[in-house]
Amino acid sequence: SQTIHQWPATLVQPVGSPLSLECTVEGTSNPNLYWYRQAAGRGLQLLFYSVGIGQISSEVPQNLSASRPQDRQFILSSKKLLLSDSGFYLCAWTSPGGDGQYFGPGTRLTVL
Amino acid sequence: SQQGEEDPQALSIQEGENATMNCSYKTSINNLQWYRQNSGRGLVHLILIRSNEREKHSGRLRVTLDTSKKSSSLLITASRAADTASYFCATDAHDYKLSFGAGTTVTVRA
Repeated sequence: SQTIHQWPATLVQPVGSPLSLECTVEGTSNPNLYWYRQAAGRGLQLLFYSVGIGQISSEVPQNLSASRPQDRQFILSSKKLLLSDSGFYLCAWTSPGGDGQYFGPGTRLTVL
Repeated sequence: SQQGEEDPQALSIQEGENATMNCSYKTSINNLQWYRQNSGRGLVHLILIRSNEREKHSGRLRVTLDTSKKSSSLLITASRAADTASYFCATDAHDYKLSFGAGTTVTVRA
């Protein structure tokens, strides 16, 4: 069966510090991968998606970036965090042509 | 951009009652999906309905889709305390991506 992991679960970082969130998927190959951010009490905002290794599409211009160094690994990064980067970050995967996205447990990021 | 919009924003019902929430969207879609999110957790995929389908059932869930009105509804029958969660609709417009609404928060009172 397929599983998706995200870490860390929670993170508190000062403004201006770097960020690296990791997401890995097991039990599938060549998944489409997604990074979302959810503000408190709101819906999901798509940040990045990837349909293959090294292929990243950005939805929202900002100080975040994403990379996919391996087929089942998706990384969200920032060189300098802003207060507005606080939120709940969710990684998701779907198989090409598959039904529905499957979400990781999320990382709650607080920037102080 | 956010395409789906859920209505109502919040819903409080008694255990055993039915809960109905609606979703409206703006552009043509390949399919529409409903997800559940318990507080502080990831989203769980509930059900997918394709653009050529009008109704779909899964356990206590019933989803309808009206492409002429660009709307969908999710009905949860015989609600339980464990159904307390936020529910999101998401539209798939043929481009690998889902657009999520802001969600409906459902509270089931014991």
